[in-house]
Amino acid sequence: EDQVTQSPEALRLQEGESSSLNCSYTVSGLRGLFWYRQDPGKGPEFLFTLYSAGEEKEKERLKATLTKKESFLHITAPKPEDSATYLCAVDAEAGNTPLVFGKGTRLSVIA
Amino acid sequence: DAGVTQSPTHLIKTRGQQVTLRCSPISGHKSVSWYQQVLGQGPQFIFQYYEKEERGRGNFPDRFSARQFPNYSSELNVNALLLGDSALYLCASSLGSGGMNEQFFGPGTRLTVL
Repeated sequence: EDQVTQSPEALRLQEGESSSLNCSYTVSGLRGLFWYRQDPGKGPEFLFTLYSAGEEKEKERLKATLTKKESFLHITAPKPEDSATYLCAVDAEAGNTPLVFGKGTRLSVIA
Repeated sequence: DAGVTQSPTHLIKTRGQQVTLRCSPISGHKSVSWYQQVLGQGPQFIFQYYEKEERGRGNFPDRFSARQFPNYSSELNVNALLLGDSALYLCASSLGSGGMNEQFFGPGTRLTVL
């Protein structure tokens, strides 16, 4: 069964304090790994897609990386507006579901 | 360009009732997927439709059904509502149904079952 585990469950940072969120996955064959940002009561907002180990993508203060077993979302010098839940999802070759999500990491950035 | 739209925004129902949720995909997108998200969890896949045909079904009871219309909009129906059906229901659209297609989510419909 395809599984996605995100850690930590919650993370509290001071403004400007860089850190990383982890997404480890077990799938039959990875077609793509996706990162989303979700604000309370709203739908997930697409951030990145990664397709192969070694791939990296950046957007403002966020950088996503991918290995054969996990992905990291690095947040550099975060601001309070980066506070949100960050969701990781995988699309597996043998799966019958478009996306399998982790439970997310709740990030709070304190000014 | 308009994103994915969903209606209604909020809905309150009682146990045993039936509900219909609606979704309009991004213009040009032919695939719609439905997800259920309970508080503190990631979204769980319910259905995917592509070109009006069901392409995938998650582990949900037969009380859940869906369809896609010729204009690619979609409806999710839930019969005989249970308290456990209370959740945020998300619709996502993509160009195609394969793994290389990013899914873009709507704002969701918050369903409360009393």
